[in-house]
Amino acid sequence: DAKTTQPPSMDCAEGRAANLPCNHSTISGNEYVYWYRQIHSQGPQYIIHGLKNNETNEMASLIITEDRKSSTLILPHATLRDTAVYYCIVRVADSWGKLQFGAGTQVVVTP
Amino acid sequence: DTAVSQTPKYLVTQMGNDKSIKCEQNLGHDTMYWYKQDSKKFLKIMFSYNNKELIINETVPNRFSPKSPDKAHLNLHINSLELGDSAVYFCASSQEPGGGYTFGSGTRLTVV
Repeated sequence: DAKTTQPPSMDCAEGRAANLPCNHSTISGNEYVYWYRQIHSQGPQYIIHGLKNNETNEMASLIITEDRKSSTLILPHATLRDTAVYYCIVRVADSWGKLQFGAGTQVVVTP
Repeated sequence: DTAVSQTPKYLVTQMGNDKSIKCEQNLGHDTMYWYKQDSKKFLKIMFSYNNKELIINETVPNRFSPKSPDKAHLNLHINSLELGDSAVYFCASSQEPGGGYTFGSGTRLTVV
């Protein structure tokens, strides 16, 4: 599975949109982009995933560039409860491949 | 109704002991996993089972032995516990291929 690069940390003001970048320049055609987050002392939580089209659900939006070498997770209205480590993971979706976590981005939402 | 439940939540034990962690999922998923999160917060996969069959076995000491009595349960037994085994262990399940993982709340193991 391709590797990803994320900034180690970022701050966001409560109520504003949080845009979390992820680079995956070696992504293959059959690899999906997954986002998870881990709130302190809890298990990781699935957020969203996509292949090449933009995706949206009740938690977030995922924007993938046309060349698929990078993506952005958007939390439209950040709340204090969104403070967490966010992981961008690339993996083949139609196989039994393991979900490999990197260091992620520590997002702190401030009042 | 908890989707993926692990017991116990906390486990403190002495070096050399044998202990087990249990995991159950009520999501009807076919695949279950064990992950280890060490003090540096890196999450690493240890094992994966699909319909009671082992499909992923990372480089984990033989002291760790997973057991899946049915597809809703995946237990982790650890023999001869060492200080370095202290970590948070997470169980997860998914409906592969490609499904999102659902994680349990973790078991914090402390070996003294």
